[in-house]
Amino acid sequence: GAGVSQTPSNKVTEKGKYVELRCDPISGHTALYWYRQSLGQGPEFLIYFQGTGAADDSGLPNDRFFAVRPEGSVSTLKIQRTERGDSAVYLCASSLNFGANVLTFGAGSRLTVL
Amino acid sequence: GENVEQHPSTLSVQEGDSAVIKCTYSDSASNYFPWYKQELGKGPQLIIDIRSNVGEKKDQRIAVTLNKTAKHFSLHITETQPEDSAVYFCAASSKTNAGKSTFGDGTTLTVKP
Repeated sequence: GAGVSQTPSNKVTEKGKYVELRCDPISGHTALYWYRQSLGQGPEFLIYFQGTGAADDSGLPNDRFFAVRPEGSVSTLKIQRTERGDSAVYLCASSLNFGANVLTFGAGSRLTVL
Repeated sequence: GENVEQHPSTLSVQEGDSAVIKCTYSDSASNYFPWYKQELGKGPQLIIDIRSNVGEKKDQRIAVTLNKTAKHFSLHITETQPEDSAVYFCAASSKTNAGKSTFGDGTTLTVKP
């Protein structure tokens, strides 16, 4: 596609529920990144994929967070047993490959945990 | 790990004036320094970047300077316009972790007409 597409744009859930956030990167971009942006702060790195494999997941806060990219294109960020502290905007970005620093971000998925 | 500090957190200028935002970083291995503009409800958009082998880069009204010795870099916007109003983020990454950027906490720029 022309840009990075993220769905849903907004998600409201209750504490303890499971959520999935989807990212469709720019066609041909092999590297895909997830960042989390809390209110009033800059984006924080969560995980990145080169192709289908998670090359670096050091930013995932705990084992309730998991991400997949089974076919090397679309990625899904999965959050189990959501907590109020998980409320944030989850941003996805892609780049041509990992060595290409330039990131193109999507508009983000705003998650609110009540 | 890398730590990026950005200031000021808010900046208000009159239309036509210049705006300067400054960032410092801690990891001497960082060699790529992008600046992003984020408008309400949108993701960050790259506006300019600089690599460590260059001291200054300019693109129309926007310029970035880098001082590797002091580990700081700055964004300069001249002849500001109301549409420049947004949140600006600096970031740093290294060659070995190209897409794994560390961001500053942002500067909210308001340009008053």
